[in-house]
Amino acid sequence: DTAVSQTPKYLVTQMGNDKSIKCEQNLGHDTMYWYKQDSKKFLKIMFSYNNKELIINETVPNRFSPKSPDKAHLNLHINSLELGDSAVYFCASSQGFYGTDTQYFGPGTRLTVL
Amino acid sequence: AQSVTQLGSHVSVSEGALVLLRCNYSSSVPPYLFWYVQYPNQGLQLLLKYTSAATLVKGINGFEAEFKKSETSFHLTKPSAHMSDAAEYFCAVSGEGYSTLTFGKGTMLLVSP
Repeated sequence: DTAVSQTPKYLVTQMGNDKSIKCEQNLGHDTMYWYKQDSKKFLKIMFSYNNKELIINETVPNRFSPKSPDKAHLNLHINSLELGDSAVYFCASSQGFYGTDTQYFGPGTRLTVL
Repeated sequence: AQSVTQLGSHVSVSEGALVLLRCNYSSSVPPYLFWYVQYPNQGLQLLLKYTSAATLVKGINGFEAEFKKSETSFHLTKPSAHMSDAAEYFCAVSGEGYSTLTFGKGTMLLVSP
């Protein structure tokens, strides 16, 4: 039933580890996004994919690598985790990549790096 | 470039009182404007959006917002607050054509009995 789902919901790990977050949408949308919400609740876009093609990469460190195996999935892999990576990561999707398109958000993944 | 300023990181109202959350935008192209709500430990949910049709936009849960180009504003209102309205509210702007969402820093709405 869930339109945009993410796993896991919580992720606690040590500095230097590698971790992945998975996202799936069942809305039939063509565009998917990753956002980072910091401790002050500020939301900033990280990546956007349209039809499995990367279209936005907002000056995110190379340690972050998104992968879209198909239009319904967009995963985020993070290498060599740092303390500053602790945040809530949201996946979202929209029908297209136009300014009028509504983005639908997943429930978020809270990443804590110790 | 686009940006959004939300005045007041926290707004407190009593149950039944008017809710007014302020949002001002800056955009070099005609803007599209959105209000999203985030309940604790949940994702964002769209309340309403302005896409150059009617300037007064009605959304879910009794909220509405008015686009005022002369004031570059898109303030969110609700005539009577309910306890269940307590949440974080985000204003966001995008532009014509291919465009991303730029969010404001959010306003936490606190509702007291």
